[in-house]
Amino acid sequence: NAGVTQTPKFRVLKTGQSMTLLCAQDMNHEYMYWYRQDPGMGLRLIHYSVGEGTTAKGEVPDGYNVSRLKKQNFLLGLESAAPSQTSVYFCASSNLRASGITDTQYFGPGTRLTVL
Amino acid sequence: GQQVMQIPQYQHVQEGEDFTTYCNSSTTLSNIQWYKQRPGGHPVFLIQLVKSGEVKKQKRLTFQFGEAKKNSSLHITATQTTDVGTYFCAGRKTSGSRLTFGEGTQLTVNP
Repeated sequence: NAGVTQTPKFRVLKTGQSMTLLCAQDMNHEYMYWYRQDPGMGLRLIHYSVGEGTTAKGEVPDGYNVSRLKKQNFLLGLESAAPSQTSVYFCASSNLRASGITDTQYFGPGTRLTVL
Repeated sequence: GQQVMQIPQYQHVQEGEDFTTYCNSSTTLSNIQWYKQRPGGHPVFLIQLVKSGEVKKQKRLTFQFGEAKKNSSLHITATQTTDVGTYFCAGRKTSGSRLTFGEGTQLTVNP
């Protein structure tokens, strides 16, 4: 199993450009998440999905859109990139136990994005 | 909204010294998870605590969940250079809801 994979690993954008980050998981997990990580601020949730065809806003959703057309994929889009979106982006996936407690989150290797 | 605060932000220790990081929530948590992120890497799950007052051990690591389920701690005994990284706690307010991560504690170990 590859676990959670992310593409690309690195990207440099100019202000105003758009791009899509792809996350794929092969663990048949229901839940998928997009986080951004900035120095001293931990991991902040951007958007998440509790199943195929569903998405929901997280803590910092502005400037981002997501889609979950297939269970194994979760896409994060930046329509018009801004320097404030320079960050490391992590995708994660998890399952829901029968007890109702969400299982551990498995993280991808991250995408390092710089917006000039 | 729910806040999870973690202290200290940074900790420098000599190899062999002990290390503790603390996690505090503004609200009662359903459960709490701990993750470790090596420099340049991604967060990796360490453990989940669910019960009030729960204590779990993994070799030199001891995890505690407070009686009121509002705080937690991670203690490492006799640190090694392999312990270097950032340790995150992540709390869940209710079963099934999303996790809120603390800011993390960055540990450096001098050999």
